[in-house]
Amino acid sequence: GQNIDQPTEMTATEGAIVQINCTYQTSGFNGLFWYQQHAGEAPTFLSYNVLDGLEEKGRFSSFLSRSKGYSYLLLKELQMKDSASYLCAVRDPGGGFKTIFGAGTRLFVKA
Amino acid sequence: GAVVSQHPSWVICKSGTSVKIECRSLDFQATTMFWYRQFPKQSLMLMATSNEGSKATYEQGVEKDKFLINHASLTLSTLTVTSAHPEDSSFYICSAILGIDEQYFGPGTRLTVT
Repeated sequence: GQNIDQPTEMTATEGAIVQINCTYQTSGFNGLFWYQQHAGEAPTFLSYNVLDGLEEKGRFSSFLSRSKGYSYLLLKELQMKDSASYLCAVRDPGGGFKTIFGAGTRLFVKA
Repeated sequence: GAVVSQHPSWVICKSGTSVKIECRSLDFQATTMFWYRQFPKQSLMLMATSNEGSKATYEQGVEKDKFLINHASLTLSTLTVTSAHPEDSSFYICSAILGIDEQYFGPGTRLTVT
């Protein structure tokens, strides 16, 4: 089986930087995703990491350490619209494209 | 980017009736689509993998006779909730795979069973 852990909620201030952590325990590894989901809407793709290191994409960066089973999503210059749930997801190592989602981290950005 | 649509966006039905939800990839062909269910304030739970031209693969604990999946073409998968009950009320989301790492989600269908 697979286990994906991330904090339930986080609060940060507009303009600040926030890091959302995700740890996973799986029998294998085939890639890790981060998605953003606003309430009542479908998730939207943010990043995909399959190799160790930091991937930067504008205000969003994602880091992966396969040896530690650890990833984080870094959001810079926070905006009020960044208030959403952030889902860490791991591709099933058994092959195919099946993706297992963590419970998600609800981020509240305050003025 | 690629677009996936779902229909209807919301539906209210009476207990005991069946509801069909459609998932379409609008500008690409998808041999694989996924169906998820999401309860309030919870994450997405994978229900089944829909494969074009073959039977769906259901996750453990998901009743295949209750949640019928048909993937009759490369752009359409349908999920039918049979004999719906109030506990089936949820947000149902489909996704379609493009390439090797791109998963595009539909906008979701809010099902309420009264």
